[in-house]
Amino acid sequence: DTGVSQDPRHKITKRGQNVTFRCDPISEHNRLYWYRQTLGQGPEFLTYFQNEAQLEKSRLLSDRFSAERPKGSFSTLEIQRTEQGDSAMYLCASSLTGTDGNTIYFGEGSWLTVV
Amino acid sequence: GDSVTQMEGPVTLSEEAFLTINCTYTATGYPSLFWYVQYPGEGLQLLLKATKADDKGSNKGFEATYRKETTSFHLEKGSVQVSDSAVYFCALRGSGGSNYKLTFGKGTLLTVNP
Repeated sequence: DTGVSQDPRHKITKRGQNVTFRCDPISEHNRLYWYRQTLGQGPEFLTYFQNEAQLEKSRLLSDRFSAERPKGSFSTLEIQRTEQGDSAMYLCASSLTGTDGNTIYFGEGSWLTVV
Repeated sequence: GDSVTQMEGPVTLSEEAFLTINCTYTATGYPSLFWYVQYPGEGLQLLLKATKADDKGSNKGFEATYRKETTSFHLEKGSVQVSDSAVYFCALRGSGGSNYKLTFGKGTLLTVNP
């Protein structure tokens, strides 16, 4: 069990550029989540997938954000036209559904700094 | 909606001291409750969980009991170590239609000095 993997771990980008983060969940997990965490705050839910279907999106996920999970395995989170307010850690997590689905496992996060 | 309130930090203790971090929640139905820990520069690790009233979660010497009557899930450890220094997050996972996501508190920074 390799856990949830995220790439890149750190990204510095200029305002207005696009960035993409990748997440590889635990292999048998069919649910995948994205959260955002700013300094001094707890993580906030952005969106989640069950298999390849995106079932819920938070109002925090503006039109500049898009997430995909094309084959129900890895996922990408793209931020277009980045703004300084997008600077945060983006956390990916995964879980099973059903009775074992109660535990959500997190990756180590992708830090984004917009300058 | 669901919410979690944690005691504000930072908390600074000496090694071997007793730790309590308070956590209360607001939720409908029967949420599951969690404590996650975050070490500097890292993601979140599940520390312990409880899925129904009066359950006690425990791990690595940490304990928390799900108290529905007081809507609380306080984290305790009898003797902290320097290696316990981290940020601790209380979280709930709703029941029914909102069972897909975690709602977190703001976190409590714990520093343990030798």
